[in-house]
Amino acid sequence: NAGVTQTPKFRILKIGQSMTLQCTQDMNHNYMYWYRQDPGMGLKLIYYSVGAGITDKGEVPNGYNVSRSTTEDFPLRLELAAPSQTSVYFCASSYSVGRLDIQYFGAGTRLSVL
Amino acid sequence: SQELEQSPQSLIVQEGKNLTINCTSSKTLYGLYWYKQKYGEGLIFLMMLQKGGEEKSHEKITAKLDEKKQQSSLHITASQPSHAGIYLCGAAYPNAGNNRKLIWGLGTSLAVNP
Repeated sequence: NAGVTQTPKFRILKIGQSMTLQCTQDMNHNYMYWYRQDPGMGLKLIYYSVGAGITDKGEVPNGYNVSRSTTEDFPLRLELAAPSQTSVYFCASSYSVGRLDIQYFGAGTRLSVL
Repeated sequence: SQELEQSPQSLIVQEGKNLTINCTSSKTLYGLYWYKQKYGEGLIFLMMLQKGGEEKSHEKITAKLDEKKQQSSLHITASQPSHAGIYLCGAAYPNAGNNRKLIWGLGTSLAVNP
């Protein structure tokens, strides 16, 4: 059981380049999330999705786009990369336990924009 | 200031010692989560607490939720080098739409010296 898989693990981008961070889960979870993690800032939610075809902004969506065409995949697109987007990006998916969900995380993508 | 405060920020203990990490919310919680993160890896789910007074254990790690103080403590008994890592708490708050969007603490970095 692979869980949540993120690719690539590492990437270096030049300012202004674009890229897509891939995320796929094999647990049939409806909810999926993208976070960024910066030192001293904790985890910040970028975008989330409640199911295929439905996405919504989180706390820090500027400079990013997402799509959710299938239950399994939730790619994050960076257009015109900026140094401020240097971060570790985590994808997660969740399932419900009563009124709450438990989130399962991928191993992360370390991105540097130079 | 942070909605969710973790203390201490970092901790170094000798193998075999007990330790406690706290996570305090500035407002009423709906649920409290504990995760562990190792460098270069994603977050591993440890426990979820929903009710005041609830206590859960995972191997030698115990977490409890104090509803009155809106605080959770995570206690490790007889620490081992395998306990080293960053412990993150996340909180769900009652709101109009989505109990699945979590607010995260900044983490507590734990080192265990053999």
